Amino acid sequence: EADIYQTPRYLVIGTGKKITLECSQTMGHDKMYWYQQDPGMELHLIHYSYGVNSTEKGDLSSESTVSRIRTEHFPLTLESARPSHTSQYLCASRGGGSGANVLTFGAGSRLTVL
Amino acid sequence: GQQVMQIPQYQHVQEGEDFTTYCNSSTTLSNIQWYKQRPGGHPVFLIQLVKSGEVKKQKRLTFQFGEAKKNSSLHITATQTTDVGTYFCAGNTGGFKTIFGAGTRLFVKA
Repeated sequence: EADIYQTPRYLVIGTGKKITLECSQTMGHDKMYWYQQDPGMELHLIHYSYGVNSTEKGDLSSESTVSRIRTEHFPLTLESARPSHTSQYLCASRGGGSGANVLTFGAGSRLTVL
Repeated sequence: GQQVMQIPQYQHVQEGEDFTTYCNSSTTLSNIQWYKQRPGGHPVFLIQLVKSGEVKKQKRLTFQFGEAKKNSSLHITATQTTDVGTYFCAGNTGGFKTIFGAGTRLFVKA
């Protein structure tokens, strides 16, 4: 069973609100990722991190920001949510060794902005 | 930038029929992975292919990695309703980023 947790699972908020989506993993993985996915559609990489204090923007431009102060924690923040931010946000991590390229995903946070 | 194309976008099959999805990369890959996402769920790792020409099997699923390491396929023999979901290929070129194909959504009619 995956040891990566996302909260909240579902969130409905109004336009202009600030939100933070939490992601934590207990596997000690250095690399963590945020993907954005509309229902039934492809996954778009929006942020990733090599390790503590490292963050990079992904291939899809996003108004969100991330931080990596601790290895196990990789939160994503939207300062002012808009309806265009409505989507599912998937957090993933990647370890080393024989499974170095394998992504383990959390259950996702489904965000609806009214 | 690196792109991973996946076809078909959708596939409807009758239970018991076979299914294949294809993945093509614009650049040579160091490895490719396949993931399955059930409706309403999150992607779950199925398998990784690393070697040129590699073929791996998992029960009714057969995965292939092309000789040039730029394409891959997933074949399901005799589909079952439990196979329903979206199948994604995902490639790495040796860096930290994993690039996903758009996915193939499989519908199985009982």
